Amino acid sequence: QVHLVESGGGIVQPGTSLRLSCAASGFSFNNYGMHWVRQAPGMGLEWVALIWNDGTHELYADSVKGRFTISRDTSKNTLYLQMNSLRGEDTAIYYCAKSKSGSGPPYDPWGQGTLVTVSS
Amino acid sequence: SSVLTQPPSVSVAPGQTASLTCGGHNIGTKSVHWYQQKPGQAPILVVYHDSARPSGIPQRFSGSKSGNTATLTISRVEVGDEADYYCQVWDSSSDHVVFGGGTKLTVL
Repeated sequence: QVHLVESGGGIVQPGTSLRLSCAASGFSFNNYGMHWVRQAPGMGLEWVALIWNDGTHELYADSVKGRFTISRDTSKNTLYLQMNSLRGEDTAIYYCAKSKSGSGPPYDPWGQGTLVTVSS
Repeated sequence: SSVLTQPPSVSVAPGQTASLTCGGHNIGTKSVHWYQQKPGQAPILVVYHDSARPSGIPQRFSGSKSGNTATLTISRVEVGDEADYYCQVWDSSSDHVVFGGGTKLTVL
């Protein structure tokens, strides 16, 4: 059974950094693209970043480009999101999601999410 | 990048049919996916590639597309279908994934 578990969320001050992790199990991790999606409190879903199945390509939403970095460690079956220069508007639940096939959408399944709060 | 437009809310009585729309420029050329999100839970995929249904999703959920509008249709709506529904596409012109703003389905 495919399982995704995010961790690393917390309360941080503006301008600081945080690294999220997503532990994957139940599938061949290096065969699928992986994504980060976030949801601000009371708001809709916002795509954040995508990394290709083989890690050779990354894409980012304009709102995080240059501040966030997506990466993956095949040896640990883990996806990461390094978040730098955090802002209040980055406050959200961050979900990792597996591509159903290949590297693009749709996503199936999603993790349960980890909450990031950026506040002074 | 693409903008996907969804009505903020739709209300329907139990047993009736709910039609949730997703409009966007050139959506006819894109593959549309739909997610259901219940309060406090992660989204789940309910329809993908316009009209395909993942295993475990009831046949009451179906997808279609016509012109610049995609539609998620939920037949014989149940109280348990009450949730937020989001449409999604891959915008190849910008290399971005795009979500619609979401529709809150209320079952009266």
